[in-house]
Amino acid sequence: GEQVEQLPSILRVQEGSSASINCSYEDSASNYFPWYKQEPGENPKLIIDIRSNMERKQIQELIVLLDKKAKRFSLHITDTQPGDSAMYFCAARGGSNYKLTFGKGTLLTVTP
Amino acid sequence: DPKIIQKPKYLVAVTGSEKILICEQYLGHNAMYWYRQSAKKPLEFMFSYSYQKLMDNQTASSRFQPQSSKKNHLDLQITALKPDDSATYFCASSQELGAAETLYFGSGTRLTVL
Repeated sequence: GEQVEQLPSILRVQEGSSASINCSYEDSASNYFPWYKQEPGENPKLIIDIRSNMERKQIQELIVLLDKKAKRFSLHITDTQPGDSAMYFCAARGGSNYKLTFGKGTLLTVTP
Repeated sequence: DPKIIQKPKYLVAVTGSEKILICEQYLGHNAMYWYRQSAKKPLEFMFSYSYQKLMDNQTASSRFQPQSSKKNHLDLQITALKPDDSATYFCASSQELGAAETLYFGSGTRLTVL
């Protein structure tokens, strides 16, 4: 089945700077790559996603890049704010298996 | 106003007992799922259902039995509970069981097995 690796596991940045999280996947048939944000005690919430027919997608301060040849995708948060502090999960799904496979998560802390 | 309702929010059980986790979604979705989150395995897929039919089961143990009595319900029965079953169990849903369908999570049931 699909395997998703996510790095780094912990990320600490200063307010106003950028934060980047990288993920890689194994199944070349995967075609859907969402990102979820989870705050303590809360459920994961979708913040942005990208499909395999795109290489780049931006929603406000969130940018997702997809490199299908390298089987890598990444999340970039520009101009980070303390409210961006949370756990972030990448995921991949596609092919004949509809299971959404998650990375192990990145704990992002944005310091004032 | 949550559209995927999970009950209870917290659950404490003793080893060997049986519990049922409730999930109802009011998004009009046709696919529902169970995921488990623990310190060891964040967001681990367990089951997927489409139109009340089991589509995928990634849980090795038969102690975990999903039950779909209605189209918008997918409960999870866990028997012979073990301390290792302690985790937060998230119910989720999507419009259809498609590769590019957005997945929405419920608020979770945090299970502690003593």
